[in-house]
Amino acid sequence: AQRVTQPEKLLSVFKGAPVELKCNYSYSGSPELFWYVQYSRQRLQLLLRHISRESIKGFTADLNKGETSFHLKKPFAQEEDSAMYYCALSYAGGTSYGKLTFGQGTILTVHP
Amino acid sequence: KAGVTQTPRYLIKTRGQQVTLSCSPISGHRSVSWYQQTPGQGLQFLFEYFSETQRNKGNFPGRFSGRQFSNSRSEMNVSTLELGDSALYLCASSPYTDTQYFGPGTRLTVL
Repeated sequence: AQRVTQPEKLLSVFKGAPVELKCNYSYSGSPELFWYVQYSRQRLQLLLRHISRESIKGFTADLNKGETSFHLKKPFAQEEDSAMYYCALSYAGGTSYGKLTFGQGTILTVHP
Repeated sequence: KAGVTQTPRYLIKTRGQQVTLSCSPISGHRSVSWYQQTPGQGLQFLFEYFSETQRNKGNFPGRFSGRQFSNSRSEMNVSTLELGDSALYLCASSPYTDTQYFGPGTRLTVL
């Protein structure tokens, strides 16, 4: 079965410092990986997906199939980056319709 | 386009009652997925509907059910409520791609 692991429940950094939120997954096929973010009192929203290879709000994530990881990185954290971040996985296949498997989330706090 | 909307935003019920939650997807989106979010279990997939058909179901008891209408609006129903059903219920809509767009959720409290 597919699984997503975010090993850090809490992550604190200072403004301007680099930040990396870790995500590891287990799935034998070709998954699609996503990062979702939830700011305080806002709905869950897509930050980026690996297939688009975009940089959103300065964040990037590279899919490493060898290490089964999809870590989220930003070189210089800002206070407005403070939020809950979820890594999620979906996969092609008849039993996967509409299903995202989420990690437990990482609360990022950026201190001034 | 307007985002995904969910009604009601808050509900308080007692054990044994049933509840119906509603979700209106983004215009043009035909897939609607439902998730349960709790502090202990995180985000868990309930089911997905596409063109009025349930295509996928998560590991939840039969007390959890749903349906989708011809305009893609979806409802989920929980019968015989238990204390453990207290959660934030999220709905997400999607076009043909895997990207899902989430609603604000319905906060259900079971007393």
